[in-house]
Amino acid sequence: GENVEQHPSTLSVQEGDSAVIKCTYSDSASNYFPWYKQELGKRPQLIIDIRSNVGEKKDQRIAVTLNKTAKHFSLHITETQPEDSAVYFCAASHQAGTALIFGKGTTLSVSS
Amino acid sequence: SAVISQKPSRDICQRGTSLTIQCQVDSQVTMMFWYRQQPGQSLTLIATANQGSEATYESGFVIDKFPISRPNLTFSTLTVSNMSPEDSSIYLCSVDQGPQGNEQYFGPGTRLTVT
Repeated sequence: GENVEQHPSTLSVQEGDSAVIKCTYSDSASNYFPWYKQELGKRPQLIIDIRSNVGEKKDQRIAVTLNKTAKHFSLHITETQPEDSAVYFCAASHQAGTALIFGKGTTLSVSS
Repeated sequence: SAVISQKPSRDICQRGTSLTIQCQVDSQVTMMFWYRQQPGQSLTLIATANQGSEATYESGFVIDKFPISRPNLTFSTLTVSNMSPEDSSIYLCSVDQGPQGNEQYFGPGTRLTVT
């Protein structure tokens, strides 16, 4: 089955810096890669996703890149702000109606 | 996205008892999923619930311990049976939405503590 590895497990940056979180997946049939942000005590929130027919997707300060050949995808956050502090999870699935397999999460701390 | 609610939001239970968690969605959805999130950990899939058929369980999770019902397209329940302290966790339901069907949105979760 699918296995998703996520690095780093913790990331500390200064406000205004960029943050990059990387994930690798094992199942070449996977074609959907979402990223979730989870604040303390709250549910995971979908913040951006990418499908296998696209190499990059941007939404304001957040971008995701996908390298299908290498089976890895990354989340990029620019101009970080303290409110970006949270746990970020990557995930993968290989068709609509199938469950997501999650990475172990990255705790991002943005200090002002 | 769909509005998803769960009941109860939290509970403290005695070992050996059972708790049923409800998940309600404000629109009809084909697939519902149940996840467990242990303290400080990632999300682990328990089972997939498709209306009108038996739930599909992941390795390490069995129907006798986590029976699931899916009576219609807007509702599902997960029961945690014969609880032990190791079952203390957050239990979340999610639904599959979006134009291509992959996008998953989560309920607020049920925080379970077993004493």
